[in-house]
Amino acid sequence: SQTIHQWPATLVQPVGSPLSLECTVEGTSNPNLYWYRQAAGRGLQLLFYSVGIGQISSEVPQNLSASRPQDRQFILSSKKLLLSDSGFYLCALRRGGRETQYFGPGTRLLVL
Amino acid sequence: GIQVEQSPPDLILQEGANSTLRCNFSDSVNNLQWFHQNPWGQLINLFYIPSGTKQNGRLSATTVATERYSLLYISSSQTTDSGVYFCAVNYGGSQGNLIFGKGTKLSVKP
Repeated sequence: SQTIHQWPATLVQPVGSPLSLECTVEGTSNPNLYWYRQAAGRGLQLLFYSVGIGQISSEVPQNLSASRPQDRQFILSSKKLLLSDSGFYLCALRRGGRETQYFGPGTRLLVL
Repeated sequence: GIQVEQSPPDLILQEGANSTLRCNFSDSVNNLQWFHQNPWGQLINLFYIPSGTKQNGRLSATTVATERYSLLYISSSQTTDSGVYFCAVNYGGSQGNLIFGKGTKLSVKP
């Protein structure tokens, strides 16, 4: 079965600093990969998804970006963090031909 | 876009009680999943259930696609059932993007 790793688990960053969150997956090839954000409260919002290496689609305009340099690596970045970027960031995968999405353990980001 | 509404937003139960959580969606869907988010934030898959009924131990789910709702049943609740339960749907497209409801926060008291 697949495994999703996210790094770091927790991050405190000052406003204006850069950001790089990493998601790596094991146990599957060519998955669809997703970045979601959960702000204070409960709802999850899809930020980016990728159907393959170098293929990124953005769902919400913002100061974040995503990249997929390798099949099993998905990176979320920012050049300058905003206070509103604080939240819980979750990486998810969907294996080809299947509908179920599976989520990683998440990264808690606090921007001060 | 499609709207996903969950009710109730909050639920407090005594251990051993049963409960029903509801998810309404505003358009036809081809994927519906129920998740449990534990206190540490981990999202755990409970059911993939675009239609029909499934059971897994004390949990079961029913989706009536023609009437655009899904129900999650929790029987004989335990304190470990506490957390937030999310319903999420995908209404089309091969990308499989999920639209989440706002969740039901369940607290089971000993």
